[in-house]
Amino acid sequence: ILNVEQSPQSLHVQEGDSTNFTCSFPSSNFYALHWYRWETAKSPKALFVMTLNGDEKKKGRISATLNTKEGYSYLYIKGSQPEDSATYLCAPAEGAQKLVFGQGTRLTINP
Amino acid sequence: GAVVSQHPSRVICKSGTSVKIECRSLDFQATTMFWYRQFPKKSLMLMATSNEGSKATYEQGVEKDKFLINHASLTLSTLTVTSAHPEDSSFYICSAELIGARTDTQYFGPGTRLTVL
Repeated sequence: ILNVEQSPQSLHVQEGDSTNFTCSFPSSNFYALHWYRWETAKSPKALFVMTLNGDEKKKGRISATLNTKEGYSYLYIKGSQPEDSATYLCAPAEGAQKLVFGQGTRLTINP
Repeated sequence: GAVVSQHPSRVICKSGTSVKIECRSLDFQATTMFWYRQFPKKSLMLMATSNEGSKATYEQGVEKDKFLINHASLTLSTLTVTSAHPEDSSFYICSAELIGARTDTQYFGPGTRLTVL
């Protein structure tokens, strides 16, 4: 089973500030990395799927980068808004189907 | 699009009873669904992969006779926790796979909170 670590576990950010957090995973046998956003009492929503070293994906104010050689991915949020408050999960894929989730980074945006 | 529902959202039952949780893909067909479990302050842990029309594949350490999975149609998978005990109390969440190009995305339901008294 892959060892997936996300840091920090929780984060408080002032509205308007930018922030980033990390997902670390074993670099060997990399297949893909998924990022999910999980708001309280809702379903986790897929943000990005990344497959290639050096990949950079962007959706609005949120972007992610991937380094498969060293085994990490960063998620960036620019100009944080209260609606960005959620837990952000990363999940490297162990093969085509099996996702191995990190514990998540709980982000709280303070107005 | 790609909406997954889960029912019930919350259930409280007595020790020794069985509880069935349904996972439905509402606007797409899913040959594969997944069942996860989350303990407090822990990550989502895959319990089993549910394949339409065939037996589920269980992860190591998950008792297949305890957690019965049925995937009888392309839009419905059920998880039955048999003879539930307090240690089975947990958050159970399902996902359904949307087949894509190299990377298949999983779409999640909102989860079920099970409390066994």
